[in-house]
Amino acid sequence: SQQGEEDPQALSIQEGENATMNCSYKTSINNLQWYRQNSGRGLVHLILIRSNEREKHSGRLRVTLDTSKKSSSLLITASRAADTASYFCATLRGTSYGKLTFGQGTILTVHP
Amino acid sequence: GAVVSQHPSWVICKSGTSVKIECRSLDFQATTMFWYRQFPKQSLMLMATSNEGSKATYEQGVEKDKFLINHASLTLSTLTVTSAHPEDSSFYICSAPAQAQGTKNIQYFGAGTRLSVL
Repeated sequence: SQQGEEDPQALSIQEGENATMNCSYKTSINNLQWYRQNSGRGLVHLILIRSNEREKHSGRLRVTLDTSKKSSSLLITASRAADTASYFCATLRGTSYGKLTFGQGTILTVHP
Repeated sequence: GAVVSQHPSWVICKSGTSVKIECRSLDFQATTMFWYRQFPKQSLMLMATSNEGSKATYEQGVEKDKFLINHASLTLSTLTVTSAHPEDSSFYICSAPAQAQGTKNIQYFGAGTRLSVL
């Protein structure tokens, strides 16, 4: 079963607004990653947050991690139409590099 | 940055035929690559781990004889969907782990292959 569950499943906002997506997971983690997928394309790594970090920033992205609640959030500030994509959180299975378990994803639509 | 190239991007085939999908790491070596499957508007499901020079390891429920994986070199893994049927129609994506120290948890993904079996 999928470890990561995300909400909302779909989010529709206007340009300039902030978009917040949440992810929950079930097992202990060393880190959690967020990826972006444009329609019909591969995934692009956005940001990685380690289990001993609570918050991390990268440009307009802000990620939080609450290991006690086994949850993470991705905030995109001042959204642009080009941010329209699906966003997935992913956690690592065990210690094997690359065996990621993905959340169900949030489809973000940013209207110009 | 590192690039993973996947080919073809789209393939249509007749039921019963086999289709080969290639995944190449363009500017780095990848002893391990991963193959995922994605249905429309759903998440990615890991199918198998491709290991250079040894057998692939498959996730539970993935048919080894249906999805043949070959990792013949440090930069190439192939996924062959054998005797494809309409239910095999899906989006297949490969990935390879980043190599730089401290980034090995990050994956570089190919652009994906959309397989349509008629």
